[in-house]
Amino acid sequence: AQSVSQHNHHVILSEAASLELGCNYSYGGTVNLFWYVQYPGQHLQLLLKYFSGDPLVKGIKGFEAEFIKSKFSFNLRKPSVQWSDTAEYFCAVTPLGGTYKYIFGTGTRLKVLA
Amino acid sequence: KAGVTQTPRYLIKTRGQQVTLSCSPISGHRSVSWYQQTPGQGLQFLFEYFSETQRNKGNFPGRFSGRQFSNSRSEMNVSTLELGDSALYLCASSLGTGESEKLFFGSGTQLSVL
Repeated sequence: AQSVSQHNHHVILSEAASLELGCNYSYGGTVNLFWYVQYPGQHLQLLLKYFSGDPLVKGIKGFEAEFIKSKFSFNLRKPSVQWSDTAEYFCAVTPLGGTYKYIFGTGTRLKVLA
Repeated sequence: KAGVTQTPRYLIKTRGQQVTLSCSPISGHRSVSWYQQTPGQGLQFLFEYFSETQRNKGNFPGRFSGRQFSNSRSEMNVSTLELGDSALYLCASSLGTGESEKLFFGSGTQLSVL
């Protein structure tokens, strides 16, 4: 079955620390990949996405993610986190081919200490 | 431009009852997808509608159903409620013309089943 795994459920970092959140998916075909973020009290919103081309994609607020096809991974990174990055982060995939089926991971709660 | 609107914001029901949730997408968006969000489970895909047709559905029992109207508004119905149906139900809208599109989420309906 298609699935998305986020291995870090809770992450606590101090400001200025570097961040890497893991995301692996299981699907043999071509996929679109996304990271969504939910800040406290706000709607889920898109952070960045990959659908083709350069496997290193940059998103809002200094986030980036790298698609490694051989590892079925799409890890999220940020060189230096800020207190305002405290949020829940969700990785998601949509298999190509007209399925319009969105598969989300279980999320990672990030807490950044000031 | 108004965002995705979900009503009601909160619902309390008892086991065995049924419930209907509503979602109004962003103007011009023809795709609406629904998700169940619970702690530890992340977002689980329920179904996706485009132009009044269900294009895909997740692995939920038949008690969960939905529909979409000609104005793209969507409703989700859960019959014979169980305690395990307590969750935040999110809907998201998009243009619906490609699987790499960004989803725009609503605030959700928090359903509590007693």
